[in-house]
Amino acid sequence: QQKVQQSPESLIVPEGGMASLNCTFSDRNSQYFWWYRQHSGEGPKALMSIFSNGDKKEGRFTAHLNKASLHVSLHIKDSQPSDSALYFCAVNSNNRIFFGDGTQLVVKP
Amino acid sequence: AQTIHQWPVAEIKAVGSPLSLGCTIKGKSSPNLYWYWQATGGTLQQLFYSITVGQVESVVQLNLSASRPKDDQFILSTEKLLLSHSGFYLCAWSLHLHQDTQYFGPGTRLLVL
Repeated sequence: QQKVQQSPESLIVPEGGMASLNCTFSDRNSQYFWWYRQHSGEGPKALMSIFSNGDKKEGRFTAHLNKASLHVSLHIKDSQPSDSALYFCAVNSNNRIFFGDGTQLVVKP
Repeated sequence: AQTIHQWPVAEIKAVGSPLSLGCTIKGKSSPNLYWYWQATGGTLQQLFYSITVGQVESVVQLNLSASRPKDDQFILSTEKLLLSHSGFYLCAWSLHLHQDTQYFGPGTRLLVL
């Protein structure tokens, strides 16, 4: 069964700094990858999807996918206090979506 | 624009009592629908999904059941709650099943005592 692991579990970055979140998965047949963000007490919201190897940039957010290494990452440039949230990596496998355990990001003003 | 509504917002229930949680999607015809469970600060566990009215697939067995009585409605229920049912229940929809971005509702927080 697909295993999706995220690191680090928690991350503190200063305002304006770069936050880097990592995710590894186990199913080499996975094709679709997402990053979601969840603020406390709310439902998760999709940040980005990435389906091809390489980088995908949307504003301050850049996702990187390396299927051969079974690795996907998210980098947040110029982090803001409003970026403080729980971040999930999601990966498809065998007609299901698997979520990682999340990375809790805190951006300190 | 699509909107997703969940009810109730929160519930406190006794062990052994029944439960019914609801989810309605407006502005999207024939969506794929999902139920997720989340422990506090934990990962999202997919429970059920549905591609059409009357058709629901179970992903994990947690003594819960789901139904889709209308195209825009998804119901999660059980006849007997367990302590382990406490958590955050999220409904989501997507365009394509398991291959598309999922859009989540605001969630229902459940505490079983």
